[in-house]
Amino acid sequence: NAGVTQTPKFRVLKTGQSMTLLCAQDMNHEYMYWYRQDPGMGLRLIHYSVGEGTTAKGEVPDGYNVSRLKKQNFLLGLESAAPSQTSVYFCASSYSLAGNTPIYNEQFFGPGTRLTVL
Amino acid sequence: AQKVTQAQTEISVVEKEDVTLDCVYETRDTTYYLFWYKQPPSGELVFLIRRNSFDEQNEISGRYSWNFQKSTSSFNFTITASQVVDSAVYFCALSERYGGSQGNLIFGKGTKLSVKP
Repeated sequence: NAGVTQTPKFRVLKTGQSMTLLCAQDMNHEYMYWYRQDPGMGLRLIHYSVGEGTTAKGEVPDGYNVSRLKKQNFLLGLESAAPSQTSVYFCASSYSLAGNTPIYNEQFFGPGTRLTVL
Repeated sequence: AQKVTQAQTEISVVEKEDVTLDCVYETRDTTYYLFWYKQPPSGELVFLIRRNSFDEQNEISGRYSWNFQKSTSSFNFTITASQVVDSAVYFCALSERYGGSQGNLIFGKGTKLSVKP
């Protein structure tokens, strides 16, 4: 049981390049989230998904796209990377009980991806 | 608007000292949950505790304790007899029934705790 995994762990991009970050979870969780962590800013939600085939915007969605084609995977894409997207990216997943929203439940986090855009 | 404030950016203590990390939140919801996460130097986020808005009982888990006071909108975290392994960044987070809709966590900016031997 690997929990939440993220690929890659590190990446350096040049401005304008594109890339996709992959998040995978093996806990059969419905809900998945992408956050970015910047020094002194805490974690901020980029996009989230409440189930396969659905995505929604979070607090800081600009410059990112996401897809959830399979329940276990949540992809974060940068179409044209900018230096302002230099950050550590965390994926998380969560569950709900009896069809309720998962506000009660803790989120399980991946190990993070450190991205540098030059 | 919902908000979580951790006013202490960095705290440094000597081993065996007690230390309290402050968390103040803002929400219009009557149903909400509060969380604490730990981020050690290795970088992963570790869940420590959750508390719902209807349960103001304090909780103790070993050297850790949490004090939830709705009257002051605070959810403070105390480490008793701190150890070097407690050195980490600690995040307080809020999840609301309506504002956050799908369990989205609103994080504070974190408090970096350094415990020196």
